Amino acid sequence: EAGVVQSPRYKIIEKKQPVAFWCNPISGHNTLYWYRQNLGQGPELLIRYENEEAVDDSQLPKDRFSAERLKGVDSTLKIQPAELGDSAVYLCASSLDGTNEKLFFGSGTQLSVL
Amino acid sequence: QKEVEQDPGPLSVPEGAIVSLNCTYSNSAFQYFMWYRQYSRKGPELLMYTYSSGNKEDGRFTAQVDKSSKYISLFIRDSQPSDSATYLCAMRGTGNQFYFGTGTSLTVIP
Repeated sequence: EAGVVQSPRYKIIEKKQPVAFWCNPISGHNTLYWYRQNLGQGPELLIRYENEEAVDDSQLPKDRFSAERLKGVDSTLKIQPAELGDSAVYLCASSLDGTNEKLFFGSGTQLSVL
Repeated sequence: QKEVEQDPGPLSVPEGAIVSLNCTYSNSAFQYFMWYRQYSRKGPELLMYTYSSGNKEDGRFTAQVDKSSKYISLFIRDSQPSDSATYLCAMRGTGNQFYFGTGTSLTVIP
């Protein structure tokens, strides 16, 4: 069974440029999470979806970040415009549903903003 | 005060040693306790999870939860070089938000 798939693996952009990350969760997993992980830190939640509904986006910097999960399957996270402080690893995770304690993570996208 | 505190290490041990990794937390509502292993340039991988207090063993790994002290541990017996990774503790209460520690970097020297 395929795990959580993310692309691209690496992205280098200049500040003020837009960038997008894509995630395909494990088949059948209704809950999808986007996390940001800074170097030497644990993952921090950006947004959580239950199917196509964003049920927790309180930590998403909405002035520059947006996300969508239109058909309740794959998801895209966008940053526009990117800032130097956005350099981090962006992790996607999924779980069967929102009450399940087992999170499955993708390999992440390493973003470098120059 | 952070919800979850974890000593970042780094921790370096010889092969075959017993490793003890620990986290403390402040929220008494946490009920689910997890340990994730993260290899370099990879996403975290669920290693162990426990519900409430007690011990859980899986091969060379033992997870221990002491809710009275708000303290959780992961023990690795007979550590191997392949165990070299960052270990993240994570917790969740009745809500759906996970709280992660900062991770402890472990190196097992052959």
